[in-house]
Amino acid sequence: NAGVTQTPKFQVLKTGQSMTLQCAQDMNHEYMSWYRQDPGMGLRLIHYSVGAGITDQGEVPNGYNVSRSTTEDFPLRLLSAAPSQTSVYFCASSYNLQGEQYFGPGTRLTVT
Amino acid sequence: AQTVTQSQPEMSVQEAETVTLSCTYDTSESDYYLFWYKQPPSRQMILVIRQEAYKQQNATENRFSVNFQKAAKSFSLKISDSQLGDAAMYFCAYRTSNAGGTSYGKLTFGQGTILTVHP
Repeated sequence: NAGVTQTPKFQVLKTGQSMTLQCAQDMNHEYMSWYRQDPGMGLRLIHYSVGAGITDQGEVPNGYNVSRSTTEDFPLRLLSAAPSQTSVYFCASSYNLQGEQYFGPGTRLTVT
Repeated sequence: AQTVTQSQPEMSVQEAETVTLSCTYDTSESDYYLFWYKQPPSRQMILVIRQEAYKQQNATENRFSVNFQKAAKSFSLKISDSQLGDAAMYFCAYRTSNAGGTSYGKLTFGQGTILTVHP
């Protein structure tokens, strides 16, 4: 198993540009989530999904969209990037809501 | 809403010595999970240890053990016989076990503690 994969590993955007961060898992996990990590603030939940076709907002959802058309994939879309979205983004998955969460390697995003 | 606080931004320890990282949390729930994650410079988040709140016995994983004080809402991590490879950022995290709530499955993280290990 590849586990949880994220692409790209690094990305630089200009303010106003859009992009999609990719996340995929091959463990047939139902629960997937996106977190952002900022210095001094730990990781904060952006959006999560409890299964294909079902998504919901987390703690800091503004400026981000998600969709879950398959069990395997959970992309995070930035519609109009802002410098405040400069962060490290982690995708995580677990078999169900009670299971251990496995994290991807992260994407470092810089918005100038 | 639950909160997790790590009051030590940085800690250091000599190789082979023991170090304890502190974590406190705030919740009105009686059943939940607590975790310690390690994040080395590679950025990968690695689960170190997990504690179920209903268990009175403190969790242990090799050189890692916790001191779980439910009444005090405290969850410290003890690393024994510290090794150079233990150097990393450590995060304490909370997750509810109450099904149906909007925070079910969500991990709430503390701010992190950077651990330096001196040879």
